Amino acid sequence: GAVVSQHPSWVICKSGTSVKIECRSLDFQATTMFWYRQFPKQSLMLMATSNEGSKATYEQGVEKDKFLINHASLTLSTLTVTSAHPEDSSFYICSATPWRRETQYFGPGTRLLVL
Amino acid sequence: AQTVTQSQPEMSVQEAETVTLSCTYDTSESDYYLFWYKQPPSRQMILVIRQEAYKQQNATENRFSVNFQKAAKSFSLKISDSQLGDAAMYFCAYRSALADTGNQFYFGTGTSLTVIP
Repeated sequence: GAVVSQHPSWVICKSGTSVKIECRSLDFQATTMFWYRQFPKQSLMLMATSNEGSKATYEQGVEKDKFLINHASLTLSTLTVTSAHPEDSSFYICSATPWRRETQYFGPGTRLLVL
Repeated sequence: AQTVTQSQPEMSVQEAETVTLSCTYDTSESDYYLFWYKQPPSRQMILVIRQEAYKQQNATENRFSVNFQKAAKSFSLKISDSQLGDAAMYFCAYRSALADTGNQFYFGTGTSLTVIP
């Protein structure tokens, strides 16, 4: 149980375009979802926390207008990288926490390459 | 904010041997959760083990066990009978149990474990 999927797993896009990444909890309802960014050989950097039906809480230094997060339902959260630039190239990971649980379950991640 | 420290950037272990990964954390809270996650080359984060701070008994999951020293704020992971598939980056994480402090994780910088055949 507690499976989280992420789509797409790989995306290459041109500079200036927008990219949407989906995160789904497949076998549980997730009241809270998290979005992380990870650079090679580094730890996870929390970008934002989203709760179903409310606005996401962004970490300091993360541009809200650039990284749009929508937690539309208890099983789906999306991250849209708007007007992507090469410096946005990274590995993005989502995680989800079941209601009244404390463990985060992670998706497999999305590799974004902006040309 | 809480801080989590993993002082060993890299570790290696001979196959079938035992290895211990260190983790310390800084908090003023008395109730919290601690986790070890494994991230293999696929980069999928996998939960290895979790510990509730109010439990004195150390958590165990098959070949994985922890040594939780609350007073020392230490949470080390012991891997017994190491296997090639244990090779990965291991992250220690802290989460508050207080409802009003949010539910985010604080991660350490990770320890890269190599298993030598």
